[in-house]
Amino acid sequence: GAGVSQSPSNKVTEKGKDVELRCDPISGHTALYWYRQSLGQGLEFLIYFQGNSAPDKSGLPSDRFSAERTGGSVSTLTIQRTQQEDSAVYLCASSLAAGPYSNQPQHFGDGTRLSIL
Amino acid sequence: QKEVEQNSGPLSVPEGAIASLNCTYSDRVSQSFFWYRQYSGKSPELIMSIYSNGDKEDGRFTAQLNKASQYVSLLIRDSQPSDSATYLCAVYNSGNTPLVFGKGTRLSVIA
Repeated sequence: GAGVSQSPSNKVTEKGKDVELRCDPISGHTALYWYRQSLGQGLEFLIYFQGNSAPDKSGLPSDRFSAERTGGSVSTLTIQRTQQEDSAVYLCASSLAAGPYSNQPQHFGDGTRLSIL
Repeated sequence: QKEVEQNSGPLSVPEGAIASLNCTYSDRVSQSFFWYRQYSGKSPELIMSIYSNGDKEDGRFTAQLNKASQYVSLLIRDSQPSDSATYLCAVYNSGNTPLVFGKGTRLSVIA
């Protein structure tokens, strides 16, 4: 079946512009996650949606970052007034359920490579 | 802060050897453990999951879990150059939280 789909695959924009990154999770997956990965670095957790619960925004690095998930499916990560340090690969993942007792792994999309000039 | 620790490497092994990748975690009530492989420039892909103490084998891969010692490991038998990648350990901690990922161990299999 279809995996996690992210768009665009690459985005180049000027400093100060706003960008929107899209994630379409695997059908039926209730949990959706956003991560950021800078070159040569590990995964940095940003935000997590689980069903209709309030999202866990604890990883968002600043108030320039926000995300929403409409209809429990597609999610959009928005970065306002982009800075050069926002340059990274933004990865989205989804899972059938979440939490330690679900035993459900996360499945990743191919990511969006964001470059801020 | 509940953490997952891995040696960053690089771990270099000759082709055909066994590669051993280790991971320790701090939350003693963690229940679910996963290994992901990430090729350079690609996204992480799931290769193994393990939930109970002991060994779990899948082809050339064996995951080992020891909850008492709070470590999980991945063995790759008959290592191939195509196994060269970064291997990420991921753990579900207690509470309704997402997977916690280690920073990964870079494996290099030398032909």
